[in-house]
Amino acid sequence: DAKTTQPPSMDCAEGRAANLPCNHSTISGNEYVYWYRQIHSQGPQYIIHGLKNNETNEMASLIITEDRKSSTLILPHATLRDTAVYYCIVPGEDSNYQLIWGAGTKLIIKP
Amino acid sequence: DSGVTQTPKHLITATGQRVTLRCSPRSGDLSVYWYQQSLDQGLQFLIQYYNGEERAKGNILERFSAQQFPDLHSELNLSSLELGDSALYFCASSVGGRAGRETQYFGPGTRLLVL
Repeated sequence: DAKTTQPPSMDCAEGRAANLPCNHSTISGNEYVYWYRQIHSQGPQYIIHGLKNNETNEMASLIITEDRKSSTLILPHATLRDTAVYYCIVPGEDSNYQLIWGAGTKLIIKP
Repeated sequence: DSGVTQTPKHLITATGQRVTLRCSPRSGDLSVYWYQQSLDQGLQFLIQYYNGEERAKGNILERFSAQQFPDLHSELNLSSLELGDSALYFCASSVGGRAGRETQYFGPGTRLLVL
């Protein structure tokens, strides 16, 4: 079973920041948090990952709480092309560190 | 473009048949992963190969098998196909063998339809 909990769907207006939450309350100290997205039925696309510090790249920012039990993916200026299913994943030792995919959050960007 | 290629893009076959899906990883990547995604479901990890050797197994049926060749491309063989095997099959690759410590890059997938 996936080790994360995400809302099933969210809406965001085009041009606004999209904030996608993820709960991973059972995360251990050395487990990373990964974010991927899947646009329609295309292959998943890596977005960002982090351990305990906040991270930023050209696609998004990742904010991880100090206790590491939750995180938020931020798309700073959402466009229609950001409409996708977003997956928050914590690969755990119990899965031999494989990626265990939940249902993700369906993010719909509205004009 | 992730650099991972998969062939064919689409495959239509009948129950009881056998098919082979092919994956070429990104240049320099040693690991290949196979995933299955049924309609409106999340991805299910099937198997990982690292530098020609099986590294980890997930929910892969006994009717399914895979291998990674010396040139690092991989093939997923599906036999005695059933209607329920209809799905998207994705291949991913990463630099090393540590699945949860490395970014995986996904191919465009093969859509299999079993009639």
